[in-house]
Amino acid sequence: KQEVTQIPAALSVPEGENLVLNCSFTDSAIYNLQWFRQDPGKGLTSLLLIQSSQREQTSGRLNASLDKSSGRSTLYIAASQPGDSATYLCAALPSHSGYSTLTFGKGTMLLVSP
Amino acid sequence: DGGITQSPKYLFRKEGQNVTLSCEQNLNHDAMYWYRQDPGQGLRLIYYSQIVNDFQKGDIAEGYSVSREKKESFPLTVTSAQKNPTAFYLCASSLRDRGRYEQYFGPGTRLTVT
Repeated sequence: KQEVTQIPAALSVPEGENLVLNCSFTDSAIYNLQWFRQDPGKGLTSLLLIQSSQREQTSGRLNASLDKSSGRSTLYIAASQPGDSATYLCAALPSHSGYSTLTFGKGTMLLVSP
Repeated sequence: DGGITQSPKYLFRKEGQNVTLSCEQNLNHDAMYWYRQDPGQGLRLIYYSQIVNDFQKGDIAEGYSVSREKKESFPLTVTSAQKNPTAFYLCASSLRDRGRYEQYFGPGTRLTVT
């Protein structure tokens, strides 16, 4: 059964710092990997989706990479801002035909202080 | 605006009562999902539906029921058999588009049972 782990569970950084959030998964047979952001008491917002054939995806100050062979993905946030404070979750989709269900990590809670 | 709506945002019920949480999407997505989120536990899948009139149990389906009579709607009933129903409930939907199965989430319903 797929297991997804996110380290660290919490991270506190000063504004302006570049940072990396880590996501590891036990089964490398994934179709894609999705990164989400969740603000307190809110739903999840999709940030980036990396298909298994891709190595990375970028959106603004965010860059997500995927290394299936090592079972790892990273989310890089450049020049962090207080508005980036949120919980970041990664989720892996297993690779078989048809719709499947995501396996989520427990998230990294990020606090960016001014 | 296209999206997923969940209502109500907050719901309070007495123990022993059934309660139904609403989820509607106008994204024309085929698949819909219900998750439960508890502090420190991450997201856990309750039920999912790939097509109208069909649904499958997720990891924690006991004490819950769903229906999928329309493509746009996937209501979740929390029954009195659910031992610990107080939680944050999230609905999601997804569409297979050019090999991507990107999931989108609603804003969530916080259920408190006393």
